[in-house]
Amino acid sequence: GAVVSQHPSRVICKSGTSVKIECRSLDFQATTMFWYRQFPKKSLMLMATSNEGSKATYEQGVEKDKFLINHASLTLSTLTVTSAHPEDSSFYICSARDPGTGPSRTEAFFGQGTRLTVV
Amino acid sequence: DAKTTQPNSMESNEEEPVHLPCNHSTISGTDYIHWYRQLPSQGPEYVIHGLTSNVNNRMASLAIAEDRKSSTLILHRATLRDAAVYYCILRDSVKGAQKLVFGQGTRLTINP
Repeated sequence: GAVVSQHPSRVICKSGTSVKIECRSLDFQATTMFWYRQFPKKSLMLMATSNEGSKATYEQGVEKDKFLINHASLTLSTLTVTSAHPEDSSFYICSARDPGTGPSRTEAFFGQGTRLTVV
Repeated sequence: DAKTTQPNSMESNEEEPVHLPCNHSTISGTDYIHWYRQLPSQGPEYVIHGLTSNVNNRMASLAIAEDRKSSTLILHRATLRDAAVYYCILRDSVKGAQKLVFGQGTRLTINP
């Protein structure tokens, strides 16, 4: 089945630095990808929709200048956490749907997640 | 997206069937019912989805009420590897909305 891969799986960074997380669709082209964050014992919260070749659409309350999203190709979207602070520590997850499967096969595929720790 | 309601947690024993309920009383005619699960420290994975008829696949079965206001995910013979958080999500097929909005889900514990 379709695979979405995230890198890195874990990252530790110092406060004030920026961290880039990559999300790749390995065997399909994804014009749209989604970024979520998840705090311990909580559900996934949608942060933004990443659109290939255009600006990302951010959910209410998510700072677009803080969380930079770039979707430069049909198989890669990146999320950059800028000027990271300890409160940005979280589990970040991306997802994509294979448009080639048609409207009746609407399942989404998720990356394995990136555990970010800001110290 | 229409809202779903699930119990916060459930517990079952290994090799027994598990029935995970989901209420979605505001479901529209074009909403598909999706189930995903998330194992510890991993991204969610697709389990099953359906529109009106009951569905079966290698992972589970989905029983949909006749009025579609509720559904039940059935794990026929639970294993320890089925311990996860299970999410029931509605997704509009006509509007083309691709994003999934997650509720709190049901944390399933399997006892050996």
